[in-house]
This record gives sequence, C-alpha cells and structure tokens, in this order.
Amino acid sequence: GEDVEQSLFLSVREGDSSVINCTYTDSSSTYLYWYKQEPGAGLQLLTYIFSNMDMKQDQRLTVLLNKKDKHLSLRIADTQTGDSAIYFCAEGDTGRRALTFGSGTRLQVQP
Amino acid sequence: EAGVAQSPRYKIIEKRQSVAFWCNPISGHATLYWYQQILGQGPKLLIQFQNNGVVDDSQLPKDRFSAERLKGVDSTLKIQPAKLEDSAVYLCASSSRGGDTSYEQYFGPGTRLTVT
Repeated sequence: GEDVEQSLFLSVREGDSSVINCTYTDSSSTYLYWYKQEPGAGLQLLTYIFSNMDMKQDQRLTVLLNKKDKHLSLRIADTQTGDSAIYFCAEGDTGRRALTFGSGTRLQVQP
Repeated sequence: EAGVAQSPRYKIIEKRQSVAFWCNPISGHATLYWYQQILGQGPKLLIQFQNNGVVDDSQLPKDRFSAERLKGVDSTLKIQPAKLEDSAVYLCASSSRGGDTSYEQYFGPGTRLTVT
C-alpha cells in the first residue's frame, strides 16, 4: 500500500530557510501536496505539484520533486515565527480517492 | 467563499456512549471525506462520498462507526459505542468534481473527541 514518510522535527532561526523532506512509495501518485496545521486548527492547503513537474515556486515556497527517488521537499524562504506549525506531506491522484498523509514535521522557528 | 464547517468543535464522552459529528462542505463540492487524526499522526481516511454515494469505506470500523450523506450535501459521522482508542480529531474535507480544481481538498477545523 501507499506510505509517506517525514522527519519529525525541524528547528530553524527566523530569517533562515527551512527545508522539509518527504518520501513516498506509490509510483502512481499524480499530485503531491503540502499542508500546514497550526495548533487546534484544521489543515491548510499550502501548495501542490503535479507528478510531471520537477519544481514549483509560490512566493516564499519552493517545492522540489524527484520522481525517480520518490522524494519531495518544501523550502520556505525567510522563515518567520508565524511559520511555526506542523507540515504534512500527502500524495493522491485526480481526486477520485483520498489523500495519504505522512506523520507531519513540526517546524519550530526561533526568534 | 465559506469554508468547510464542522460541529461540535470539542466533545468529551465516556466509553460506550455514542456521539455524532456534523460536516457541511464547501458549496458545490461533490466529494466529501471524513478523516481520523490521532495525536502525533497524519489524518487517515475513514470514508469518502461522491454526492450521496459511498466511494471508499474500507477503513471504517463498521461495527461501531457509521456515516451518511443523504442529500449529497452535509454529512454526519456517528460512533456507537465509543472506545478509548477513538479519541482523536475528526476532520471533514471536500473537493469539487472535475475541472481544474478537483485535486484540491479543503479541510474543516475538525472535532476533537476525548473518550474517558
């Protein structure tokens, strides 16, 4: 079955770049997603990338996809304290089935 | 555009009691999902509806969990009887059918259930 793996914790200083990594196993994944979850809140869709793309940039966010290695990363430039949250990687297809999530990476931004 | 609405936000019950959660998806979204998120884990699918039909309920513990979406709009998830291990956040999500945005799932704030 599908599996998505993430590291548990990342700590960075304010103003630095953060890189959160994810690996997945399902080679039929069409879309790969990054969601953000703040304490007591639901999941906020940050960005996604189609499996036929290598990179996607959206303001401070850069997503890199290495389809051969099934590796996905999220880079947050100029990380702010408001970026402190849990970040979930997820994979899915054209919306016909639900997403498979990793266990989340807790990002701590130190002032 | 209003987001996915869920109620209640919090619920505390004793084991063996029953509980129900309600979800209203984004207007026009045909697909509705219920996920269970246990503390420290990512969300896991319980059931997926397309309009008022069930697409996937393979992970739903059917001896105690039930869900319905009678008119293809809002949905109710029920647990009866609850067990301690059902303590979790229950997240509802919705997505549109077809078009350029069918791959975007939007989540509600969740219902945090504590079973004592």
